[in-house]
Amino acid sequence: DVKVTQSSRYLVKRTGEKVFLECVQDMDHENMFWYRQDPGLGLRLIYFSYDVKMKEKGDIPEGYSVSREKKERFSLILESASTNQTSMYLCATEDLSAYEQYFGPGTRLTVT
Amino acid sequence: GIQVEQSPPDLILQEGANSTLRCNFSDSVNNLQWFHQNPWGQLINLFYIPSGTKQNGRLSATTVATERYSLLYISSSQTTDSGVYFCAVAGIERGGADGLTFGKGTHLIIQP
Repeated sequence: DVKVTQSSRYLVKRTGEKVFLECVQDMDHENMFWYRQDPGLGLRLIYFSYDVKMKEKGDIPEGYSVSREKKERFSLILESASTNQTSMYLCATEDLSAYEQYFGPGTRLTVT
Repeated sequence: GIQVEQSPPDLILQEGANSTLRCNFSDSVNNLQWFHQNPWGQLINLFYIPSGTKQNGRLSATTVATERYSLLYISSSQTTDSGVYFCAVAGIERGGADGLTFGKGTHLIIQP
């Protein structure tokens, strides 16, 4: 079974703080993704990575950066958190043999 | 980019009823997945089905790629089937890694 874990289920941060969201997978998948989910807007892609140290912007990368130093770990960084980044953040990995994606449990981030 | 439309947006049924959820997409795809989002926010993989028909217990899915739609069938609904069902696709034009494009979801409520 594919296992994708995220560092926190719930997180509360203050405006201006630097925030790290961590995602770890145990399936040796090359591709990893970060999405955010908001009511009325659905799930939107923030960034993805197709290999260690490689990254590509998704649909809404503004205000975010990412880091992938090891194949199994993909981090999403909010350099200076703002209230409009309050959201549900979902990490996913992709099995390249079939393009099937698997999601972690999500992190509900509140920025006050 | 590729567009995904799901219908109906909301569905309320009695326990034991059957239901059909529809997903229309605007272009050729090499990935189509159905997910169930549980009350805690996790996306549970139901089917990976870019074409053809699959069954898993009370759930089955059919994708007619040439006509650009997919159907998810739930038979003998149970209260635990409640939640939001998402269809997500990746267009065949993608090169390498790319995110999934999600529909807005169908919110299903099964009443006892």
